[in-house]
Amino acid sequence: GENVEQHPSTLSVQEGDSAVIKCTYSDSASNYFPWYKQELGKGPQLIIDIRSNVGEKKDQRIAVTLNKTAKHFSLHITETQPEDSAVYFCAASDQAGTALIFGKGTTLSVSS
Amino acid sequence: GAVVSQHPSRVICKSGTSVKIECRSLDFQATTMFWYRQFPKKSLMLMATSNEGSKATYEQGVEKDKFLINHASLTLSTLTVTSAHPEDSSFYICRSVKGTEAFFGQGTRLTVV
Repeated sequence: GENVEQHPSTLSVQEGDSAVIKCTYSDSASNYFPWYKQELGKGPQLIIDIRSNVGEKKDQRIAVTLNKTAKHFSLHITETQPEDSAVYFCAASDQAGTALIFGKGTTLSVSS
Repeated sequence: GAVVSQHPSRVICKSGTSVKIECRSLDFQATTMFWYRQFPKKSLMLMATSNEGSKATYEQGVEKDKFLINHASLTLSTLTVTSAHPEDSSFYICRSVKGTEAFFGQGTRLTVV
């Protein structure tokens, strides 16, 4: 089955810096790669996703890149703000409507 | 986007009692619902997949007699934690499928004392 590895587990940056979180996956059949932001005591919120027919996707300060050959994908947050502080999870599945396999999460702390 | 309503958001129960968690898709019909469990500072672990009108499929290591899942309609799925014990204390989250998209509920923090 699918296995998703996520690094780093914690990441501390200064406000305005960029943050990069990386994930690798094992199942070449995976085609859907969402990223979630989870704040304390709340459910995960989808922030961006990418499908295997696209190499990069951007939404304002957030971007995701995908390398299917190497089986890895990354989340890039530019101009970080304190409100970006949260736990971020990557996930993979063969499509959006099937069960997601999650990475272990990255705790991002943005200090002002 | 679509709304998935999960409740209760928090529940405290005594050991040995049962707790029911509901997950409703408010503006769409969910043919499939996923139930996840999350321990503090850990990732989300898939517990089971339920399809409307059929029995749930449980992941390895998840006791189906302890975590009863009912998906009786296209808008409602329930997870019942039976004979709860302190080790069942966790954050439980549902995820409903709408076509090619899926949406998380807000989660339920269960504390068993």
